[in-house]
Amino acid sequence: GQNIDQPTEMTATEGAIVQINCTYQTSGFNGLFWYQQHAGEAPTFLSYNVLDGLEEKGRFSSFLSRSKGYSYLLLKELQMKDSASYLCAVRDKEAAGNKLTFGGGTRVLVKP
Amino acid sequence: GAGVSQSPSNKVTEKGKDVELRCDPISGHTALYWYRQSLGQGLEFLIYFQGNSAPDKSGLPSDRFSAERTGGSVSTLTIQRTQQEDSAVYLCASSSTVYNEQFFGPGTRLTVL
Repeated sequence: GQNIDQPTEMTATEGAIVQINCTYQTSGFNGLFWYQQHAGEAPTFLSYNVLDGLEEKGRFSSFLSRSKGYSYLLLKELQMKDSASYLCAVRDKEAAGNKLTFGGGTRVLVKP
Repeated sequence: GAGVSQSPSNKVTEKGKDVELRCDPISGHTALYWYRQSLGQGLEFLIYFQGNSAPDKSGLPSDRFSAERTGGSVSTLTIQRTQQEDSAVYLCASSSTVYNEQFFGPGTRLTVL
């Protein structure tokens, strides 16, 4: 089985940086995804890591360390619209298909 | 092109009644997934379809839950004899291949009174 942990909630100021950590335990790691979900809306894909290191996409970056079972999502130059939940999800190669196991999500509140 | 669509967007039902939730995946996507999300929680995997293969039903919480995917496209999730603990948002996702990112629909909010 899998266990995925991420903080429940974080607060940050507009223009600042926030780092959302995700730790996981899995029998056969085969990729980690980050999704953004605004209240009442569907999750939207942000990033994918399968190899160690940093993936950068504009203001968002995601890091993975497979040996530590650890990832983080870094949000830079925060904007009010970044207030949302951020979901960490792990794909397990032992599982059929592309089934993802999600963490509980981190609610980020951006204040002016 | 159109994204994943789901209907209805909201469903209120009485305990003990059956409900059907529908998902239209992105055209050409071979993989389709159903998830459930309770208030303030993460997503819980329910079932997965890939092409003509037998579905992975390992996440279905009880035998009251079933799903079909007809013609490799539209899927229906059926919950029989609904219970209050079934109240949640039911999300459908599709992907073009097994290993690609999943695109989510807007969800169906189910409330069982």
